[in-house]
Amino acid sequence: AQTVTQSQPEMSVQEAETVTLSCTYDTSENNYYLFWYKQPPSRQMILVIRQEAYKQQNATENRFSVNFQKAAKSFSLKISDSQLGDTAMYFCAFMKHNAGNMLTFGGGTRLMVKP
Amino acid sequence: DADVTQTPRNRITKTGKRIMLECSQTKGHDRMYWYRQDPGLGLRLIYYSFDVKDINKGEISDGYSVSRQAQAKFSLSLESAIPNQTALYFCATKDSNTEAFFGQGTRLTVV
Repeated sequence: AQTVTQSQPEMSVQEAETVTLSCTYDTSENNYYLFWYKQPPSRQMILVIRQEAYKQQNATENRFSVNFQKAAKSFSLKISDSQLGDTAMYFCAFMKHNAGNMLTFGGGTRLMVKP
Repeated sequence: DADVTQTPRNRITKTGKRIMLECSQTKGHDRMYWYRQDPGLGLRLIYYSFDVKDINKGEISDGYSVSRQAQAKFSLSLESAIPNQTALYFCATKDSNTEAFFGQGTRLTVV
């Protein structure tokens, strides 16, 4: 079974600064996907970024980028130029290739962006 | 309209009552899932379905049942609600090897 660990229950950052959220996972699989989801106070789960394990290049989406270290089983999210609208819960998630495609989530990190 | 719609958005029910949470999707996906969110635990899988009449247990299925009677609809039932089933419940849908699309969540409180 896979496990996903987010070691930072809460974090805060000043507006316009950069923050990094940590995620580690444990798996014996070689083909898998990793995701970061954002959950604002509206409760909606919003996909932030996705990484395929076979790709060595780190995924980037505008101000969001990841540092994917496959050997270390680490998948951190960097948010640059933080904005007030980035305030939310952030969940790291793991998904095996095929085999049902169920998501395994970490416990979440609550991020507060301060003005 | 949302691609994945859950009803109700919020519900308070009494211990021992039967309650059904409904989910419908317009994505045309075959795979549908029910997750439960608790503070500090993230989201955990309750049940999932790959097709009509196909039902599979997830990590925490005890105390829950589901029904998939149409491709677009997947309902979750609590036969006899108990207080520790108080949580935020999410329905999700996806194609294989793509990201999941989530409903808006149902906040259930069992008193």
